[in-house]
Amino acid sequence: AQKVTQAQTEISVVEKEDVTLDCVYETRDTTYYLFWYKQPPSGELVFLIRRNSFDEQNEISGRYSWNFQKSTSSFNFTITASQVVDSAVYFCALTGGYNKLIFGAGTRLAVHP
Amino acid sequence: NAGVMQNPRHLVRRRGQEARLRCSPMKGHSHVYWYRQLPEEGLKFMVYLQKENIIDESGMPKERFSAEFPKEGPSILRIQQVVRGDSAAYFCASSPGQTRSQAFFGQGTRLTVV
Repeated sequence: AQKVTQAQTEISVVEKEDVTLDCVYETRDTTYYLFWYKQPPSGELVFLIRRNSFDEQNEISGRYSWNFQKSTSSFNFTITASQVVDSAVYFCALTGGYNKLIFGAGTRLAVHP
Repeated sequence: NAGVMQNPRHLVRRRGQEARLRCSPMKGHSHVYWYRQLPEEGLKFMVYLQKENIIDESGMPKERFSAEFPKEGPSILRIQQVVRGDSAAYFCASSPGQTRSQAFFGQGTRLTVV
């Protein structure tokens, strides 16, 4: 069975701190995709990244970076120099053969000034 | 190219009424997925449809819930005889194909049952 675990329910940091959100997944598929989405207080889902299972290169986009480690089935997300606007719920998700997404329970990030 | 459009954005229904949620996929997309997000929880898959076909409804409650994606027009998620526990955000996503393509989400419909 496929499963995504986000063990951190809530994280609270002060602005400019770095923060890492953990994501561990389970799947028997050899080909799969991993995603991160942001859900701000307004409620919509904002796509952040998609990574396929064959690409273990880490990725950096501005203050965001992602560390994909197949050996530990983890796809962690780091925000560098956090800002108040980063406050949101962040979801990690996994997909198999088609685009049905399995979401983690989410991590609520609060960035305080 | 407009994104995935869901309407209404907010819907209030009294217990026992019917709720109809609409999802217009992105242009060129023939695959639609519905997800439900209960308060303070993650999103849970409900149903996957292609035009005129239900492909996977493993996440749909057995009673009162139905979904369709007709040849013409939007996909509809229908909830009959709503109860307070149906209060949630319902998200729709669409994709152009079944595999190796990214699904794009709409802004969701927030259903409140009073």
